[in-house]
Amino acid sequence: AQSVTQLDSQVPVFEEAPVELRCNYSSSVSVYLFWYVQYPNQGLQLLLKYLSGSTLVKGINGFEAEFNKSQTSFHLRKPSVHISDTAEYFCAVKEMNAGGTSYGKLTFGQGTILTVHP
Amino acid sequence: DAGVIQSPRHEVTEMGQEVTLRCKPISGHDYLFWYRQTMMRGLELLIYFNNNVPIDDSGMPEDRFSAKMPNASFSTLKIQPSEPRDSAVYFCASSSSLAGINEQFFGPGTRLTVL
Repeated sequence: AQSVTQLDSQVPVFEEAPVELRCNYSSSVSVYLFWYVQYPNQGLQLLLKYLSGSTLVKGINGFEAEFNKSQTSFHLRKPSVHISDTAEYFCAVKEMNAGGTSYGKLTFGQGTILTVHP
Repeated sequence: DAGVIQSPRHEVTEMGQEVTLRCKPISGHDYLFWYRQTMMRGLELLIYFNNNVPIDDSGMPEDRFSAKMPNASFSTLKIQPSEPRDSAVYFCASSSSLAGINEQFFGPGTRLTVL
C-alpha cells in the first residue's frame, strides 16, 4: 500500500520569499502524484499533477513541483509567494495498475499549512 | 459545469440524532468519494463508489456510518446515531475514468457539529 509523508506541518514565510513544501511517498508500483490546495473554509482544488514525461511540472498560481523517482519525492515550490497563497497544501498519490491506468483511490498526506506574512 | 454539490453546507445536531449528508457529483463522472477532515486525523477516505457500486469502505469508522449511491447523480452519507466525535468537515469528490487519470474534483464540504 502507498503512503505519503509531508515533512512540514507548518511553513511560515514572508511575502515575495521563495517557498518549498516537501512531500515524500512510498509505493511498490508506479504512481501518479498530485498537489491540492485548500483555502480556508473551502474544498480542495488541484494545483498540479505528475503523470509521466518531464519531471518538472507547472501548475496554477505560479507553483511547480519536481518528481524525483530515486528519492521518491515530489516537492512543491514557488519562487515568490503572495499573501493570497496562505492555505493548506496536500500532496497525494495514486497507484498505477499493470495496464498503466490508475485505481480510484488517492492517498493524501497530512497537509502543510503555508502562512505568508506581509 | 456546477462542480460537485454538497448539502447542507453546515449542520448542527445533538448527540444521538440521525444526520444525512448529500452529494451530487459532476455529471458523467463514474467515481464518487467521501472524505472526512479533522484537525487530529487530517483527511481520511471513508468510502468510494465506481458506477454506483461501493468499492472500498474500509475507511468507514463503524456501523453508525453508512453510504449509498442509488444513481449516478446522487449519494448520501448517513450517521445514526451521531456522536460528538463525528464533528468534522465531510467532503465529497468525483472523478471520471474516461479521463484516464482519475483526477478528483472536490465539493465545498459539509461542516458537521454534533453537540
